[in-house]
Amino acid sequence: GAGVSQSPSNKVTEKGKDVELRCDPISGHTALYWYRQSLGQGLEFLIYFQGNSAPDKSGLPSDRFSAERTGGSVSTLTIQRTQQEDSAVYLCASSLATSGTSLDTQYFGPGTRLTVL
Amino acid sequence: AQSVTQLDSHVSVSEGTPVLLRCNYSSSYSPSLFWYVQHPNKGLQLLLKYTSAATLVKGINGFEAEFKKSETSFHLTKPSAHMSDAAEYFCVVSVYNQGGKLIFGQGTELSVKP
Repeated sequence: GAGVSQSPSNKVTEKGKDVELRCDPISGHTALYWYRQSLGQGLEFLIYFQGNSAPDKSGLPSDRFSAERTGGSVSTLTIQRTQQEDSAVYLCASSLATSGTSLDTQYFGPGTRLTVL
Repeated sequence: AQSVTQLDSHVSVSEGTPVLLRCNYSSSYSPSLFWYVQHPNKGLQLLLKYTSAATLVKGINGFEAEFKKSETSFHLTKPSAHMSDAAEYFCVVSVYNQGGKLIFGQGTELSVKP
């Protein structure tokens, strides 16, 4: 079946511009996660959704970052007034359920590579 | 707090020889532990997962890992390396009671020489 998809695959933007990154989870997966992979910081958790709610936003690096999820499916990560340090690969993952069950395996999308000039 | 430490940033082996990628974890609770692999310019793929059912976990492509509570370790092994195993490997812990968010180790780059 279809896996997690993300768009765009690559995004180049100028410093100060806003960007939107999209994630389509596996159908039926109620949990959705955003991570960031950068050279200096490795792989970091950003935010997760259970349904349309975001119980944990603790990983968002600043108030320029926000995310939403609608219809329990697609999620959008928005970065306002981008900075060069935002350059990274943004990864989305989804799972059937959150931790503590056999259904909590997270399946990752291919990522969006963001370059801020 | 939960964390994982990958003891080697880079491992190089010859094709056909065993692979050992080392990972230690820290957790106050019985952890859920994972190994993911990332091939160049590809997404993260789950290799295997430990959830307390059995201490020796078998994964895809001939990989396995053993959970050792006394040593707080979860090392990844493979009896015979293949050229296609060259990739970056991440040891990962799922944070208890926080929705399953994952904490990643720094990664180990595996090189396989012909």
